[in-house]
Amino acid sequence: DTGVSQNPRHKITKRGQNVTFRCDPISEHNRLYWYRQTLGQGPEFLTYFQNEAQLEKSRLLSDRFSAERPKGSFSTLEIQRTEQGDSAMYLCASPDGEQFFGPGTRLTVL
Amino acid sequence: AQTVTQSQPEMSVQEAETVTLSCTYDTSESDYYLFWYKQPPSRQMILVIRQEAYKQQNATENRFSVNFQKAAKSFSLKISDSQLGDAAMYFCAYRSGGLKTSYDKVIFGPGTSLSVIP
Repeated sequence: DTGVSQNPRHKITKRGQNVTFRCDPISEHNRLYWYRQTLGQGPEFLTYFQNEAQLEKSRLLSDRFSAERPKGSFSTLEIQRTEQGDSAMYLCASPDGEQFFGPGTRLTVL
Repeated sequence: AQTVTQSQPEMSVQEAETVTLSCTYDTSESDYYLFWYKQPPSRQMILVIRQEAYKQQNATENRFSVNFQKAAKSFSLKISDSQLGDAAMYFCAYRSGGLKTSYDKVIFGPGTSLSVIP
């Protein structure tokens, strides 16, 4: 256990629905990253927070994606109007020299 | 932009034997870290070993060691005395900057799936 938790662990939704994932990082870490991992691939960077400020967003993060980190604690990643191409594992990481990863949320869009 | 390449999608090793996973990367930076991460099926990604670019000595962690060739931009992982629990996806990864950098986005390779044969 790395100390990073993510909920839910699995989410199955129908195309067009909205979904929200939560990440609870290691409490004393002020940075937080979201990555997306598709089957058979390595994780790809989505976005990065330093405390509550979202400092960088990948081109992978379309307008349907939004991430927040209120008060610099937990973070949420919301996907609106899901598409089948959004099916992936969404990983949260809490870095301090190395990246400590959460278990991920596996999203399946039917 | 930095890239990480792993040319072996799948590898297998006999239990107790040694296996080497390959990784190459491309960067124009001089200060960076390289990592090997392990992701067992349906389990969390964990760090196996890391190498600081400015250190010439290869990193070692118990049965895991690396061969870091900075000029060739090569970073291979050697697993000695392979165990059944070593079966997993292994990702080579790159990060810019020093250990306490405030920007630590990691760039991952596509991974190598390692099977351990009893």
